[in-house]
Amino acid sequence: AQTVTQSQPEMSVQEAETVTLSCTYDTSESDYYLFWYKQPPSRQMILVIRQEAYKQQNATENRFSVNFQKAAKSFSLKISDSQLGDAAMYFCAYLSETSGSRLTFGEGTQLTVNP
Amino acid sequence: DTGVSQDPRHKITKRGQNVTFRCDPISEHNRLYWYRQTLGQGPEFLTYFQNEAQLEKSRLLSDRFSAERPKGSFSTLEIQRTEQGDSAMYLCASSLGRGSPLHFGNGTRLTVT
Repeated sequence: AQTVTQSQPEMSVQEAETVTLSCTYDTSESDYYLFWYKQPPSRQMILVIRQEAYKQQNATENRFSVNFQKAAKSFSLKISDSQLGDAAMYFCAYLSETSGSRLTFGEGTQLTVNP
Repeated sequence: DTGVSQDPRHKITKRGQNVTFRCDPISEHNRLYWYRQTLGQGPEFLTYFQNEAQLEKSRLLSDRFSAERPKGSFSTLEIQRTEQGDSAMYLCASSLGRGSPLHFGNGTRLTVT
């Protein structure tokens, strides 16, 4: 079974600084998708960024970018110019269509942004 | 795109009672998912539908749980004979299909007393 591991239960960053959240996953598939979701205290899960495994180019969305290392099965999220509104729980997630279409989540990283 | 809608937002029930939650997905989305989330944890997969067909169900899901999506639109999740361990946030999500991101609703918070 696929597993997703986030080794940092908590992280903190100063406003306007950059922070990187780590994620590793275990799979024998070659075709899959990776996501980062953000869950603020309001509890609604919000998509941050999506990466297709067959694309070597790292995905970016404004201040959010990923470092996708397929061989190492690593998928980290970099948040640049951190803002107070970035404070939330961040979840890394994995999806493969060839072994069930469920989205598997990591344990989450609680990000605090200090003013 | 009005987003995924879940009803009710909160439900308090006594142990042994049955509860039913409703989810309305984004209209053009053919996949619908149910997840359960406890405080401080990542969401745990329960089941998913492709149109009206229930294609996968978690082995962790007991027989007290049942989900339907009768016309491939909205879905209901029923929990029979609730237990205190069922207390959690129940999340619904929908997606367009292959490789598409899931869009989540606000969830239904269940408290079993």
